[in-house]
Amino acid sequence: NAGVTQTPKFQVLKTGQSMTLQCAQDMNHNSMYWYRQDPGMGLRLIYYSASEGTTDKGEVPNGYNVSRLNKREFSLRLESAAPSQTSVYFCASSDWPGGTDTQYFGPGTRLTVL
Amino acid sequence: GQQLNQSPQSMFIQEGEDVSMNCTSSSIFNTWLWYKQDPGEGPVLLIALYKAGELTSNGRLTAQFGITRKDSFLNISASIPSDVGIYFCAGRRSYNPTGRRALTFGSGTRLQVQP
Repeated sequence: NAGVTQTPKFQVLKTGQSMTLQCAQDMNHNSMYWYRQDPGMGLRLIYYSASEGTTDKGEVPNGYNVSRLNKREFSLRLESAAPSQTSVYFCASSDWPGGTDTQYFGPGTRLTVL
Repeated sequence: GQQLNQSPQSMFIQEGEDVSMNCTSSSIFNTWLWYKQDPGEGPVLLIALYKAGELTSNGRLTAQFGITRKDSFLNISASIPSDVGIYFCAGRRSYNPTGRRALTFGSGTRLQVQP
């Protein structure tokens, strides 16, 4: 039982390049989330998905798109990366609805945009 | 967006000392969570609180859900070197227009323990 896994662990992009961050969970959770963490700040929600096929914007969605591919996988795409998107990105999942909605986090992807 | 004020921002203590940190908000939350983040890792859940006044322990850690529902506290007793890391509080409001199940995070308390 790996919990929440993320790939890649590190990535360097040039401004304007695109990439997709991958996330998968093996806990059979319904809800999945993408956060970003900037130095000295808490995590901020980018997008979330309460079930397969549904996604909703969080606090800071601009510049990102997401896909809930199936119940296990939730990807985050940067279409045209900008230096302001340099951050650490965390995926999380929870067993809501039906459970306590406690969120469990992956190890993070460290993204640098030059 | 909704802010959680977490304090202190950092602590440097001697091994064996007790530690206290807290989070406060101007709004009511119906869930409080405490996470620990080790360097290069994602946050790991320590304690979850669901009722006002609730006091919950997890080993040497004890957390409380404030009776006003606007604050929460985390205490660590008899600290050890492996307690080093960043501790985050997170809260969920009854209603959050930016995401029904979204957590609001504090900015973290960085704990360093001197052996």
